[in-house]
Amino acid sequence: EVQLVESGGGLVQPGGSLRLSCAASGFTFSNYWMSWVRQAPGKGLEWVANIKQDGSEKYYVDSVKGRFTISRDNAKNSLYLQMNSLRAEDTAMYYCARMRMLDQWGQGTLVTVSA
Amino acid sequence: DVVMTQSPLSLPVTLGQPASISCRSSQSLVHSDGNTYLNWFQQRPGQSPRRLIYRVSNRDSGVPDRFSGSGSGTDFTLKISRVEAEDVGVYYCMQGTHRPLTFGQGTKVENK
Repeated sequence: EVQLVESGGGLVQPGGSLRLSCAASGFTFSNYWMSWVRQAPGKGLEWVANIKQDGSEKYYVDSVKGRFTISRDNAKNSLYLQMNSLRAEDTAMYYCARMRMLDQWGQGTLVTVSA
Repeated sequence: DVVMTQSPLSLPVTLGQPASISCRSSQSLVHSDGNTYLNWFQQRPGQSPRRLIYRVSNRDSGVPDRFSGSGSGTDFTLKISRVEAEDVGVYYCMQGTHRPLTFGQGTKVENK
């Protein structure tokens, strides 16, 4: 069974940093693109970033470019999202998802940016 | 960026009756590889999203056959042949042909 388990969310002040993690199991992690998608409270879905199987290609939505970095460790079956210079508008549930076409999703981890 | 426009945004349904959601894109979703990367997702209350349909009309594993997807180019439709109680939630279309990936606003399906 495919499992994606996010962690690392929490309350952070504006300008602060957080690192999200996603632990993958039940499939060969190194064979798949992986993605992050977020959902602000009461709002719709927004794709954030994705990364190729070997980490050689990474893509970001414009609003996070230069502030967020997606990475992965295939030996640890893990996906990461380093988030710096956080803003109030980054407050959201952050989901890890498999593939560019998002066929499997985790349960999400909540990031709240507030003073 | 490609804008995905869903209608209606709210869909009151009667259990056992059909339902239909429209999704239109601001550009053609036909990729240079010949595929059309249009997906549909369901998000039940309090749950993570779940993919239902990929590449316009292909149902994901475990998705009931009352769900079907159709369309081409810029116009797409998700149909539920007979709505069941477990279908209540928000439905999103998403295009994966052009970067960045973009979602529709969501259509809330609720009991009439």
